Amino acid sequence: AQKVTQAQTEISVVEKEDVTLDCVYETRDTTYYLFWYKQPPSGELVFLIRRNSFDEQNEISGRYSWNFQKSTSSFNFTITASQVVDSAVYFCALSEAGGGKLIFGQGTELSVKP
Amino acid sequence: GAVVSQHPSRVICKSGTSVKIECRSLDFQATTMFWYRQFPKQSLMLMATSNEGSKATYEQGVEKDKFLINHASLTLSTLTVTSAHPEDSSFYICSARVRSDRGPYGYTFGSGTRLTVV
Repeated sequence: AQKVTQAQTEISVVEKEDVTLDCVYETRDTTYYLFWYKQPPSGELVFLIRRNSFDEQNEISGRYSWNFQKSTSSFNFTITASQVVDSAVYFCALSEAGGGKLIFGQGTELSVKP
Repeated sequence: GAVVSQHPSRVICKSGTSVKIECRSLDFQATTMFWYRQFPKQSLMLMATSNEGSKATYEQGVEKDKFLINHASLTLSTLTVTSAHPEDSSFYICSARVRSDRGPYGYTFGSGTRLTVV
């Protein structure tokens, strides 16, 4: 069965600190997709990144970076120089290659204090 | 890009009444729609998957007679919470599967409906 684990329930940092959100997944599929979403207090999910299982290149987008390690089944997300606007709940998710349902992790609530 | 419009954003209803939530795909055809429920401080839990023109597939533990899903067209899927009770109060989110230009699937989400049953 597919499963996504985000062990960090809550993280609190001070502005400008770097923070890494962990994500570990389980799947028997050889082809799959991993996602990260941001959920601000408004509730709407904001798409951050999609990564397929064959692409282990790390990705950087501005202050955001992602580290995908298939050997450890992890897809961690780092925010560099965090800002108050980064405060939100972040979800890691997994889907099968055929576009099936998304399985979400428990979410990590990030609080960035000024 | 692919946009899903979800309405209403908030609804308060009396216990025992039914509530309908609509999700419309505005600029694409949504052959598959997913419905999620999220309780406070919890993750999104998939309730059901619906394909246009066929019956929805419900996840284990979700009462199909209570949460009626209709996906009669490629642009509209609805979730009706029948005989709502306070324990049904939650945040409901729909999601459509979309095919990107580069082939792999993506998902676009509605803005969610916060249901409060009093």
